[in-house]
Amino acid sequence: NAGVTQTPKFRVLKTGQSMTLLCAQDMNHEYMYWYRQDPGMGLRLIHYSVGEGTTAKGEVPDGYNVSRLKKQNFLLGLESAAPSQTSVYFCASSSSFSGSGANVLTFGAGSRLTVL
Amino acid sequence: GQQVMQIPQYQHVQEGEDFTTYCNSSTTLSNIQWYKQRPGGHPVFLIQLVKSGEVKKQKRLTFQFGEAKKNSSLHITATQTTDVGTYFCAGPTGGYQKVTFGIGTKLQVIP
Repeated sequence: NAGVTQTPKFRVLKTGQSMTLLCAQDMNHEYMYWYRQDPGMGLRLIHYSVGEGTTAKGEVPDGYNVSRLKKQNFLLGLESAAPSQTSVYFCASSSSFSGSGANVLTFGAGSRLTVL
Repeated sequence: GQQVMQIPQYQHVQEGEDFTTYCNSSTTLSNIQWYKQRPGGHPVFLIQLVKSGEVKKQKRLTFQFGEAKKNSSLHITATQTTDVGTYFCAGPTGGYQKVTFGIGTKLQVIP
């Protein structure tokens, strides 16, 4: 059982280039998330999705776009990369809320992006 | 917007000493979760607290949820080198689907 898989694991971009990070989960989870992690900043939510075809903005959505065309996949796109987007990106997924708590997140291994 | 704050940001302890990290929310949370991230790794779920005043234990780890459901703590008794990592609290903000993380507490254990 692979859980949450992120590709690529590492990528170096030049300023202005575009790229897409792919997140795939095989747990039939409804909810998917993209976070970025920077030193001293913790995990900040970029965008999230509560189901196929739906997306919503998180805390730091500017400069990113997302798509959830299939339930198992959540794509994060950078249309014109900037050095400020150098970070480690984590995808996470969770099952639908069914109790009195938020969903437990299962994270992917992360994607390290450097923008020069 | 709603925030989840966590202190301290860093903590160095001698092996065998105790360690505590604290989490505070600007608003009442329906639940709080704790995650651990080992160096170079990804966050891994530890526990979820739901009830006011709830206390849960996992071996040497004790988790508490405040009576007002706005604060939480993680206490590790007699730290070991395997406890090294960053501990995050997280809670649902702006709707139950949106999970916001604290800044994390990075624990270093000196052998």
